[in-house]
Amino acid sequence: AQTVTQSQPEMSVQEAETVTLSCTYDTSESDYYLFWYKQPPSRQMILVIRQEAYKQQNATENRFSVNFQKAAKSFSLKISDSQLGDAAMYFCAYIPGNTPLVFGKGTRLSVIA
Amino acid sequence: NAGVTQTPKFQVLKTGQSMTLQCAQDMNHEYMSWYRQDPGMGLRLIHYSVGAGITDQGEVPNGYNVSRSTTEDFPLRLLSAAPSQTSVYFCASSLQGGARAYTFGSGTRLTVV
Repeated sequence: AQTVTQSQPEMSVQEAETVTLSCTYDTSESDYYLFWYKQPPSRQMILVIRQEAYKQQNATENRFSVNFQKAAKSFSLKISDSQLGDAAMYFCAYIPGNTPLVFGKGTRLSVIA
Repeated sequence: NAGVTQTPKFQVLKTGQSMTLQCAQDMNHEYMSWYRQDPGMGLRLIHYSVGAGITDQGEVPNGYNVSRSTTEDFPLRLLSAAPSQTSVYFCASSLQGGARAYTFGSGTRLTVV
C-alpha cells in the first residue's frame, strides 16, 4: 500500500518564528507529485504548495517552502515568520501515478502569540 | 465559477436510512473523488472517477455507492447508514495529468444516530 506518514500529530510555534512539519511517503512510482494542504477551522482544504518529483529545485510560495529529499522519500514543509492565521491542520499528500491524492493523517499546528 | 459544490452541508440520519450526498463541479474536470475525514485518520479515499461512466474503489468503499453519468456530477450514496459512517465527507475534482491541483468542496458533516 502506498502511504504517507506525518510523524508529528501536533506542533506549536511562536508567532514570527519558523517551524518545520515532517512528511515521509512510500511509493514505487518514479514520477509523482507532492502537496501540502492547509485545513483551518472552517474545514476548507487549501493548497499551500506542490512539488513535482522530477524537479530537483525545492518549491517555495512566499513564507512556505519545502525540503524535498527524493532518495529519502521525505517532503517537509517550512513555515517562516509564522502568523496567527497559519494555525490549522496541515496535510501532506501525493499523487502516485494516475490515481487520486493519498493523504497523511495530518499535523495540527498552533501559533502562540 | 462555483468550483465544487457539495450538498447538504450538515445531515443527521438514523441507522438504516439511505441518502445521497451531492457533488457538482463546473470546471470540466475529468477526475472526481470522494473522501471521508475522521479525527486522527486524515482523509481516506472512498471512491473515485476518471471520467463519465468510469468509477473505481478507494481505500474505504464498503457501504457506499457511486455513479458518474455526467462530467459535472458525482453523487455518493449511503445504502444503509451505520454509526461508523459518521464523518465529514469531501468531494474533490481535478484535471487529468501533471501536477494537477485538486479543488475541494466545503464538506458535508454527517451524523448517524
